[in-house]
Amino acid sequence: QVQLVQSGAEVKKPGSSVKVSCKASGGTFSSYPISWVRQAPGQGLEWMGGIIPIFGTANYAQKFQDRVTIIADESTSTAYMELSSLRSEDTAVYYCARAEGEGSGIDWFDPWGHGTLLTVSS
Amino acid sequence: SYELTQPPSMSVSPGQTASITCSGDKLGHKYVSWYQQKPGQSPVLVIYQDKKRPSGIPERFSGSNSGNTATLTISGTQAIDEADYYCQAWDTSTVVFGGGTKLTVL
Repeated sequence: QVQLVQSGAEVKKPGSSVKVSCKASGGTFSSYPISWVRQAPGQGLEWMGGIIPIFGTANYAQKFQDRVTIIADESTSTAYMELSSLRSEDTAVYYCARAEGEGSGIDWFDPWGHGTLLTVSS
Repeated sequence: SYELTQPPSMSVSPGQTASITCSGDKLGHKYVSWYQQKPGQSPVLVIYQDKKRPSGIPERFSGSNSGNTATLTISGTQAIDEADYYCQAWDTSTVVFGGGTKLTVL
């Protein structure tokens, strides 16, 4: 059963960047898409984008397209999400999740990582 | 962009049936999954591809999807089912989540 372990909480200043990691263990990493989903305090879930490690190409939500980079390192079974030009509204818990689906779509996410809290404050 | 609409909150008495809806244009043509999230925890998949239950999810959780509405049904609701529930679908190379429904069991 795959488990996703994320890096620890971060505190960043506005305008800076953050890179969050998500290491998979106990299962196949390369052939399943990994997505990043964030949740602002008291708010709902918001998909940021994802990657299929074996192909290496990422797909981003339009809202984040110019600020987010998602990569995957097959050698360490680790996915990364880097978010730049941080602002206070980026304060949220960031989750990675393994995706599955038929064809080229994402039908469901399972499992999810434990989440990484990012606080953006001056 | 595609939108999924859920009621912000609902309440149910213990032992009764809770039906949480998720609405979207021609949603019945897409697969819908549902997630349960308790305070301070990561989301957990409870239904995928409209009506399939992952291993370990109680039989009281079921799902349906037709027309413009998908429904998560919890039969014999228990206090431990109190949580936020989110629906999710895939549209035009984008993952879409509903806004979430806070289910209160009282």
